[in-house]
Amino acid sequence: AQSVAQPEDQVNVAEGNPLTVKCTYSVSGNPYLFWYVQYPNRGLQFLLKYITGDNLVKGSYGFEAEFNKSQTSFHLKKPSALVSDSALYFCAVRVSGGYNKLIFGAGTRLAVHP
Amino acid sequence: DVKVTQSSRYLVKRTGEKVFLECVQDMDHENMFWYRQDPGLGLRLIYFSYDVKMKEKGDIPEGYSVSREKKERFSLILESASTNQTSMYLCASSFRSRTGELFFGEGSRLTVL
Repeated sequence: AQSVAQPEDQVNVAEGNPLTVKCTYSVSGNPYLFWYVQYPNRGLQFLLKYITGDNLVKGSYGFEAEFNKSQTSFHLKKPSALVSDSALYFCAVRVSGGYNKLIFGAGTRLAVHP
Repeated sequence: DVKVTQSSRYLVKRTGEKVFLECVQDMDHENMFWYRQDPGLGLRLIYFSYDVKMKEKGDIPEGYSVSREKKERFSLILESASTNQTSMYLCASSFRSRTGELFFGEGSRLTVL
């Protein structure tokens, strides 16, 4: 069965420091992986995706993610965190069979402190 | 800008009531989805639709039904609301060809008393 795990409920980072939000996956075949962000009282917004190609994927708002096939991971990163990055982050994997069905992780709350 | 609009941001209903949650998208997307969001569980897929009048069950369809009579509109129906359906409901849509890029509405927070 396909699944996504986000091992941390919350990540705390000081403003200006690098941040990492972790994600591991389990899929059969080649994974299609995604990161979404949810700001308070809002829907989710697409950040970036990995389909194929370069293992380092760049996305919106200065975020990037590194695909590691041997570790089955897709960690979200940013070199210098902003207070405005504080939000709920979801990792997702596309289910095989099409139709853009995604399985989401439980989410990680990122808190960036001034 | 793509817009996915959910008709109600907050609803309070009583056990046994019938509940309609409406979702409209303005980008001619083929696919539409209903997810439920609960703390610690992330998003779970209830139903999705890949074309008008077409629907497929997701991971947690029990207690829900859907309707898609027009391409832009996808409705979620709770025939007889129960307290365990208290949750945040998120509608999303996407092009069939754009892998994984879903556009979400702002959510409908339903409380069933």
